[in-house]
Amino acid sequence: EAGVTQFPSHSVIEKGQTVTLRCDPISGHDNLYWYRRVMGKEIKFLLHFVKESKQDESGMPNNRFLAERTGGTYSTLKVQPAELEDSGVYFCASSQMTSGGADTQYFGPGTRLTVL
Amino acid sequence: LAKTTQPISMDSYEGQEVNITCSHNNIATNDYITWYQQFPSQGPRFIIQGYKTKVTNEVASLFIPADRKSSTLSLPRVSLSDTAVYYCLVGPSGGSYIPTFGRGTSLIVHP
Repeated sequence: EAGVTQFPSHSVIEKGQTVTLRCDPISGHDNLYWYRRVMGKEIKFLLHFVKESKQDESGMPNNRFLAERTGGTYSTLKVQPAELEDSGVYFCASSQMTSGGADTQYFGPGTRLTVL
Repeated sequence: LAKTTQPISMDSYEGQEVNITCSHNNIATNDYITWYQQFPSQGPRFIIQGYKTKVTNEVASLFIPADRKSSTLSLPRVSLSDTAVYYCLVGPSGGSYIPTFGRGTSLIVHP
């Protein structure tokens, strides 16, 4: 079974440019999450999808970030325009809906974003 | 959500057993305890999850005392490849929740 994949693995852009990150969750996983780790800081939650609906976007830093999950499969996270402080590693995770036990999330390898 | 406290770092040698303890004094009745492992330049990887007593899988064991206010991740006979950051997370059952990653425990295994 394929794991969570993310594209690109690394992106270097200039301040003011736009970047779109993609996440392909594990097939059949309705939950999809985006996280970010800024250099030297902890992994922070950004947003949660259940299928194509945004369940919780309380972690999105500002309106320069736009996440979509059309059709409830893959998701994109667009940063427009990018700022220096957006640099970091963006992780995507997916999980199945569970009726018992805590949610076990499977993480992708991350996309390292560098804004110059 | 229950707050967790772990050692910032630990050192060990190959072949030793490593025990990492996490404190979660305000754990709720329906909270589970989950441990993740993260290597540099990779996303966190699920290791083990438990609710009470002891859970064991092919990778690790998880010991949870009766009061559930702490838990211990046990890695038997570590190797160099076990060098990673280990995160203890506490969260409710039934559906999804947003895990809070602290700084984790940085384990370094020496030859």
